[in-house]
Amino acid sequence: EAAVTQSPRNKVAVTGGKVTLSCNQTNNHNNMYWYRQDTGHGLRLIHYSYGAGSTEKGDIPDGYKASRPSQENFSLILELATPSQTSVYFCASGDLGGQNTLYFGAGTRLSVL
Amino acid sequence: QQKVQQSPESLIVPEGGMASLNCTSSDRNVDYFWWYRQHSGKSPKMLMSIFSNGEKEEGRFTVHLNKASLHTSLHIRDSQPSDSALYLCAATTSGGNYKPTFGKGTSLVVHP
Repeated sequence: EAAVTQSPRNKVAVTGGKVTLSCNQTNNHNNMYWYRQDTGHGLRLIHYSYGAGSTEKGDIPDGYKASRPSQENFSLILELATPSQTSVYFCASGDLGGQNTLYFGAGTRLSVL
Repeated sequence: QQKVQQSPESLIVPEGGMASLNCTSSDRNVDYFWWYRQHSGKSPKMLMSIFSNGEKEEGRFTVHLNKASLHTSLHIRDSQPSDSALYLCAATTSGGNYKPTFGKGTSLVVHP
């Protein structure tokens, strides 16, 4: 099965600080995604990428940046973290095309104090 | 913005019973539907997908799709306590950006 690894698994950050969440996939998938999951909201798409060097805004991109330096790695960056960004963040990867399954990492639990 | 609506929000069924979950998209361009299952504290994993009108069965799980109404349903027969989880419906379009959109999920509890 596809392997997607997220780090860190847990993170406590201070308001106004910079946070970087990392994601690595070893399945040579073109597409990678960052979602956040909050009770009552399901999974919401923050940023996604079609390949190295590309990043696209998802449905809730405000306050987040993304970076895809290589096929394998996709990072989510919170330049100025706020308490409203406290959430569980999931990275996912998948092949191009609407018929392809997403494979999720284990998630990162972020608390911004 | 595409919306995926799921119902009910929560569902309790007895062990051995039938669970029925619903999902509807408001985007007429949607072509593909998935059901993901997420156990507590874990990440979502794809359970079933359906791309054509009709029905698809895999073991105790059956999905239906009506493309005209953009409605899919997941039915779990002989429900087991291990089926207790959050069930997420996702939808995508076939062309352009491949942006899977998820519903808020249905929380299923199967009690022994």
